[in-house]
Amino acid sequence: KAGVTQTPRYLIKTRGQQVTLSCSPISGHRSVSWYQQTPGQGLQFLFEYFSETQRNKGNFPGRFSGRQFSNSRSEMNVSTLELGDSALYLCASSMRPTSSGNTIYFGEGSWLTVV
Amino acid sequence: AQKVTQAQTEISVVEKEDVTLDCVYETRDTTYYLFWYKQPPSGELVFLIRRNSFDEQNEISGRYSWNFQKSTSSFNFTITASQVVDSAVYFCALSESNYGQNFVFGPGTRLSVLP
Repeated sequence: KAGVTQTPRYLIKTRGQQVTLSCSPISGHRSVSWYQQTPGQGLQFLFEYFSETQRNKGNFPGRFSGRQFSNSRSEMNVSTLELGDSALYLCASSMRPTSSGNTIYFGEGSWLTVV
Repeated sequence: AQKVTQAQTEISVVEKEDVTLDCVYETRDTTYYLFWYKQPPSGELVFLIRRNSFDEQNEISGRYSWNFQKSTSSFNFTITASQVVDSAVYFCALSESNYGQNFVFGPGTRLSVLP
């Protein structure tokens, strides 16, 4: 059974640009969560989607947005990139929302560098 | 509010030593779930164990064991006879059933197992 797949794995962007990251969850999983990981802030929750609806959003500015498609695949977008957005962006999937106590399974992440 | 503390930032041991990683959590929920994940240098968080708040039985899986104590709000992880391949960052996480809608991760403990 394929795991969570994230693309691209590595990317470099210039300050002010925007970026879109993609996540394909494990087959049968309908919940997708996104996390940002930085050395200073650790793992921080961005948002969670279930059945194409955003269930919860972390404390990030509006430049961070996401969506989920009918096939459960998800994308997150960061507009007007700042140097501080450089991070590992991790996607995780589960069968049901995390509030149900479901285990979430992570992808390998997308390493974003903003220069 | 949810909170997870991992007081040990870094631990270094010599191969074959036993090592215990500490995790202390805070929650106002009566139903919650605790997790441990391992993050090797590749970046992907690998799921190790899930425990719900009603199950205080300790668990052993090979060289890994977990000690869950509600009285002290702790969920500690022990690796017996550590190996170099155990070197990674280990995260403890908490998911609440009623009050939270997402995972909260601790800051992680970097374990280095030296040959």
